[in-house]
Amino acid sequence: EVQLLESGGGQVQPGGSLRLSCAASGFAFSSYSMTWVRLSPGKGLEWVAVISGNSVDLDYADSVKGRFSISRDNSKSTLYLHMNSLSAEDTAVYYCASCSPHCLRGWFGPWGQGTLVTVSS
Amino acid sequence: DIQMTQSPSSLSASVGDRVTITCRASHIIGNYLNWYQHKPGKAPKLLIYAASSLQSGVPSRFSGSAFGTDFTLTISRLQPEDFATYYCQESTGSPYRFGQGTKLEIK
Repeated sequence: EVQLLESGGGQVQPGGSLRLSCAASGFAFSSYSMTWVRLSPGKGLEWVAVISGNSVDLDYADSVKGRFSISRDNSKSTLYLHMNSLSAEDTAVYYCASCSPHCLRGWFGPWGQGTLVTVSS
Repeated sequence: DIQMTQSPSSLSASVGDRVTITCRASHIIGNYLNWYQHKPGKAPKLLIYAASSLQSGVPSRFSGSAFGTDFTLTISRLQPEDFATYYCQESTGSPYRFGQGTKLEIK
């Protein structure tokens, strides 16, 4: 069974940093592109970042470009999201998802349960 | 960027009803359109991929269709477990835009 388990969320002050992790199991992790998507209070789903299976291809939403960094460790079947210069607008539940196996012209799924990031002083 | 306009934003219906949710793309996206279901506190779930293909394990009362840049998700006979928020998403590339969501509530 495919499982994705996010961790690392919490409360952080504006301007702070946080690293999210997504532990994957039940599939050939290195063969799949992976992505992060967030759900902000009162808003809908927003795509954040994507990484190819070999980490060669990366892409980010304009809203996080230059502040967030996506990476993966295929030896640990783990996906990461490094978040810097956080602001209140980054407050959201962050979900990781695998792609099909590519996000481009594909689909997202399965998804993890999410980890909550709250940016507040 | 491609914009996705999803309607309605909310919908009240009864168990057994047939409901339709619509998503319109601002540009031609072929069939690169997916539908997801999301319940509070749960992982979003892929329902339909490539506009009309039913994801494995999803009940057959869910269906998707496309006509040009207009896409629809239909639930033929609502069940109690179907009350959730539904999102469309285009996958032609970054920024993989989602629709605004449709909250389906019990009437």
